[in-house]
Amino acid sequence: DAKTTQPPSMDCAEGRAANLPCNHSTISGNEYVYWYRQIHSQGPQYIIHGLKNNETNEMASLIITEDRKSSTLILPHATLRDTAVYYCIVRVAGAAGNKLTFGGGTRVLVKP
Amino acid sequence: GAGVSQSPSNKVTEKGKDVELRCDPISGHTALYWYRQSLGQGLEFLIYFQGNSAPDKSGLPSDRFSAERTGGSVSTLTIQRTQQEDSAVYLCASSLGGSGTYNEQFFGPGTRLTVL
Repeated sequence: DAKTTQPPSMDCAEGRAANLPCNHSTISGNEYVYWYRQIHSQGPQYIIHGLKNNETNEMASLIITEDRKSSTLILPHATLRDTAVYYCIVRVAGAAGNKLTFGGGTRVLVKP
Repeated sequence: GAGVSQSPSNKVTEKGKDVELRCDPISGHTALYWYRQSLGQGLEFLIYFQGNSAPDKSGLPSDRFSAERTGGSVSTLTIQRTQQEDSAVYLCASSLGGSGTYNEQFFGPGTRLTVL
């Protein structure tokens, strides 16, 4: 699986959009970008994933650059409950076992 | 139940003792995963069960670790002769399973294991 690079931490004001960057310059053509988050003392939670087109769901939007070497997760209106560690992962969809490996992630603190 | 459940939520044991951690996956999910997360670290894959197939044990750190899944549902992770470095949060996840597409993994709350 390709390696990802994320800033270790960032702050965001409540009600504002949070833009979380992720670099994955060695991504392969068949690898997807996935985002999970982990709220303190809870298990990880799936957010969104995409291949090359931008994706949106009820939780967030995922913007992937045309060259696919980086992406941005957007939380449109951050709330205090969005405070968590956010993990960006790139891997082949449907790979045997779909097992996940998380790096350090970005620790997001939403402030009132 | 509505989600993945794990028990116990916390376990404190003495070095050298054996421990068993339990996971109840979401009903109907054929895939089950065990991970562990050491303090301040990312997620480390341990073992994966898919239906009646032989489990993928490639992530187990030593032969002191084993897991079984009875009847395709409940799973037990056993750590024998625990060591202090085994202290971590052990997370279980389940998904609809199968390959060829991505199936979201739903995680349980984890079991915090402390080995004294």
